[in-house]
Amino acid sequence: AQSVTQLGSHVSVSEGALVLLRCNYSSSVPPYLFWYVQYPNQGLQLLLKYTSAATLVKGINGFEAEFKKSETSFHLTKPSAHMSDAAEYFCAVSVPGGSQGNLIFGKGTKLSVKP
Amino acid sequence: DAGITQSPRHKVTETGTPVTLRCHQTENHRYMYWYRQDPGHGLRLIHYSYGVKDTDKGEVSDGYSVSRSKTEDFLLTLESATSSQTSVYFCAIRGRGTNAEAFFGQGTRLTVV
Repeated sequence: AQSVTQLGSHVSVSEGALVLLRCNYSSSVPPYLFWYVQYPNQGLQLLLKYTSAATLVKGINGFEAEFKKSETSFHLTKPSAHMSDAAEYFCAVSVPGGSQGNLIFGKGTKLSVKP
Repeated sequence: DAGITQSPRHKVTETGTPVTLRCHQTENHRYMYWYRQDPGHGLRLIHYSYGVKDTDKGEVSDGYSVSRSKTEDFLLTLESATSSQTSVYFCAIRGRGTNAEAFFGQGTRLTVV
């Protein structure tokens, strides 16, 4: 069964600093991977997804993520943090050809941005 | 925004009472999901549906039942609410294919007292 691990339940950065949120997956086959963002009292919104095309995926709001098969990772980055990036971020995994019920989420990383 | 609506948005109920949460979509997506979100646990799948009258259990299905009599509606029922079911519940919809992204509703905050 696939799984996803997000390292660090809380990450704090200064405004303008690099954002790095870590996601590692476990899957018997190369998976599809997703990053979602959740602002307070809202549902989740898709930031970006990897579906076996380019390994570097660009998303909304200046975020990008790189699929690294050798490291089983799909870390989310943004060169310069804005105050508006403060939110909770979730990594999710789905297996090609598997059950559509198996969209599995990590436990989330809460990003704080200091002025 | 994807057309997905959850109701109610907030509910307080007493232990032992039945509760039904509703998810309504206007996107005609085949797949619908119920997740619960709790601090430290992320999102955990309760049940999902892959068509009218077709449902399957997720990892935390005990104490919950679901029904889907129409493509657009997916109901989550707590037959006898317990305090451990206090949570934020999210409905999601998804198109066909395991590479399809999910679209989420705004959530229902349920408190069982």
